[in-house]
Amino acid sequence: GQSLEQPSEVTAVEGAIVQINCTYQTSGFYGLSWYQQHDGGAPTFLSYNGLDGLEETGRFSSFLSRSDSYGYLLLQELQMKDSASYFCAVSDSWGKLQFGAGTQVVVTP
Amino acid sequence: ETGVTQTPRHLVMGMTNKKSLKCEQHLGHNAMYWYKQSAKKPLELMFVYSLEERVENNSVPSRFSPECPNSSHLFLHLHTLQPEDSALYLCASSQDWRTGANVLTFGAGSRLTVL
Repeated sequence: GQSLEQPSEVTAVEGAIVQINCTYQTSGFYGLSWYQQHDGGAPTFLSYNGLDGLEETGRFSSFLSRSDSYGYLLLQELQMKDSASYFCAVSDSWGKLQFGAGTQVVVTP
Repeated sequence: ETGVTQTPRHLVMGMTNKKSLKCEQHLGHNAMYWYKQSAKKPLELMFVYSLEERVENNSVPSRFSPECPNSSHLFLHLHTLQPEDSALYLCASSQDWRTGANVLTFGAGSRLTVL
């Protein structure tokens, strides 16, 4: 089976940097993805890491270390609209995604 | 709008009712999914359809019955549900089933309450 661990909640002020860690135990690991979900909204894809290292997309970056079974999502220059839940998900070679329980990010003025 | 539309957005039903959730995708994807989302829990994969064939069934109770009449539509038929089935049911689609870099596009979900 697979299990993923991520913090349940993180609070930070506007303009700050937040790092959401995700550790996983899995068989058949292929890649790590991140999704964002606002209250009442659909989860939306943010990033995918298939190889070790850092992927940057604007203010958001994602990192993967296969040897450590660990990844993180970095949110920079936090804005109020970044208040949402963030889910890490591991995929196997068939594309089957297993999600974590999500991290609620609360951005305060 | 994500390109995946779910109806109804909210549904309240008794344990003896029969109802259905509908999902439609306008993205030309070839795979569709049902996920269950409960508070503070990981999203649970229920079913996967690829090219209208069910390819994954994650030990879901038979009171949930999926149907995929074509590659754009997916239904979840509900019958004699239990209160613990109350949750947000999310539909998703993708073009990359059977590749590791599978990106899902989700609908906004159907919030189900079972009384």
